[in-house]
Amino acid sequence: NAGVMQNPRHLVRRRGQEARLRCSPMKGHSHVYWYRQLPEEGLKFMVYLQKENIIDESGMPKERFSAEFPKEGPSILRIQQVVRGDSAAYFCASSHLKSGGLLYEQYFGPGTRLTVT
Amino acid sequence: TQLLEQSPQFLSIQEGENLTVYCNSSSVFSSLQWYRQEPGEGPVLLVTVVTGGEVKKLKRLTFQFGDARKDSSLHITAAQPGDTGLYLCAGAWAGNMLTFGGGTRLMVKP
Repeated sequence: NAGVMQNPRHLVRRRGQEARLRCSPMKGHSHVYWYRQLPEEGLKFMVYLQKENIIDESGMPKERFSAEFPKEGPSILRIQQVVRGDSAAYFCASSHLKSGGLLYEQYFGPGTRLTVT
Repeated sequence: TQLLEQSPQFLSIQEGENLTVYCNSSSVFSSLQWYRQEPGEGPVLLVTVVTGGEVKKLKRLTFQFGDARKDSSLHITAAQPGDTGLYLCAGAWAGNMLTFGGGTRLMVKP
């Protein structure tokens, strides 16, 4: 299966702990996107990355949240000092290299469900 | 901030009925994608529309992009219980990030 991989699928953290969510894009995809979905709501864009570069982080909370997509290895979404409001499903998507100004389709992973107790 | 309004939010119908889901914005999209999401899973891409007036068919699903590229619709013919799920539209304006509508939760009863 060459789809977008995310792990862990479920993550439980106590308030104040750190959460690390990993995403491996589809083979050949160099663009990664992170979205958050709160219960009974739609998906909200957080951050868009290429290898070693953050392209757009306009949807990312200013504090406690960070993302990276290193040259080697998966993309990581890191949440420090988690609070109950961080409980949500976090989805990663990947796409081909953008060309001609057109958006290439984004393919989503199965998500990581974070529960903060 | 671009907004995407999706309607209806909830739809419960009997097997065999037809239905239409709408996605509207006051802004012009560069492209629009429709996804379907099952509980506990990520969204699965159904179709991408790019050209104003474009119509795409996927078996019993028909997707239409408005002439002005500000709206789109998804029409399902003879719905089946297997069509049950959350349908999401997502629009792209500038850049590569998608803005999602709030979703339509469809239930098809046998």
